This record gives sequence, structure tokens and C-alpha cells, in this order.
Amino acid sequence: DSGVTQTPKHLITATGQRVTLRCSPRSGDLSVYWYQQSLDQGLQFLIQYYNGEERAKGNILERFSAQQFPDLHSELNLSSLELGDSALYFCASSPLTGGSGNTIYFGEGSWLTVV
Amino acid sequence: DAKTTQPPSMDCAEGRAANLPCNHSTISGNEYVYWYRQIHSQGPQYIIHGLKNNETNEMASLIITEDRKSSTLILPHATLRDTAVYYCIAAYSGGGADGLTFGKGTHLIIQP
Repeated sequence: DSGVTQTPKHLITATGQRVTLRCSPRSGDLSVYWYQQSLDQGLQFLIQYYNGEERAKGNILERFSAQQFPDLHSELNLSSLELGDSALYFCASSPLTGGSGNTIYFGEGSWLTVV
Repeated sequence: DAKTTQPPSMDCAEGRAANLPCNHSTISGNEYVYWYRQIHSQGPQYIIHGLKNNETNEMASLIITEDRKSSTLILPHATLRDTAVYYCIAAYSGGGADGLTFGKGTHLIIQP
């Protein structure tokens, strides 16, 4: 158990819909990361937040957005869903945003199926 | 982040040491070598990381060559539960900046 909690574990929704994935980081971790893993793309970094502020953006679509709240939990919002958005979405957390003592720990993921 | 190269797959007998190689010939002086593994669509699991010196923890040992152009992850007594995809990643800033860049990794299969 990494200490990173993601909900829901599984989600099935229709094209065009909007969903929200939730992540609670490990206790004390200030950084949250979101990754997408699909069968043909592997693990792709989407976005990072540190203490409530966006720090880095990766391959995140404009239809997707995220935020980190004052209690440090984070939400990933996916809208106008397409079949190709079906994937595993992982949240990860770390104490810092960099530095030698920093290590990133991953949650168990949220399976999203768009039908 | 420096590019890493790993064999796509490897086999190892249960109970033997599994040695997973990784080439990172363009690694910069302040890039760490990280190893993660992913067991069948579970979340990637952190194993170990190092900068210059060899490192050991309860899961594995990491051997980094003196020129830092390659490294080896050693699982000392592999079990069936070690079957997974193993990712070697070279990353700045302890892996915090811009997340981690995952390649295709090595699919390690432990044979009974």
C-alpha cells in the first residue's frame, strides 16, 4: 500500500459525458501528479500540482483539467469524453517538487471505460 | 531526461537472482536512476534509486557503473510475485520536476 488513495476504482460512462477522478496523496506529501496509461501509449505524464499550484504540464488534453485543494487532495476532470479516453488514470504523490530526497509513489489507479 | 534502453523481456528461474540491465549513456551528472515496477495494471511501485553509489534496500540492489552510463537492478531471490514490467528512468531533481518519463520497460517473467 503506497498510501495514495484513488476513487473510483472503476468507472463506465458514455461518450460526451464528464467524469471526476479523485486522489488523496500520502500524508504530508505536497506534490500530486496525474498519469494516463492506455494500451497503445504506455504511461503518460499529464500534470503536476504542488501545494495547490500547477507546476508542470505534460500531454494533457484541453478537455481535461485538474486542481489541488487546500487539504492537498486533487481531482482530475475529464469532459466531452471520447472512446479513446478509455484508460487507467494514476495519481501519484511526493513530498517535494524536486530534490535528492524526493520519491514519487503511485496509487492503484482508476479504470475509465468510455462506451 | 536522459533516454534509457532496456531489453523488452527477460526470464529468470524462481529463487535465482534476477539482473535487469539498463543503458543510459547520455545521463547528466545530476540525473538520478530510478527503478519502478508495474504488476499487471496495478500502480507502478517504487523500487530504488541512486545517483552515483550502489544502493540496497529490502527489495533490491542497484549497481551503477563508474561512468554512470549503465546500471543493473538486482532482485536477489526472485519469486513468482516478482513477475512484472520493470522501468528504468533517468530523472532530474529526484524525479519531482515534470514527473517521470516511462519507457516500455523490461517484462520480467519468473519461471517456476
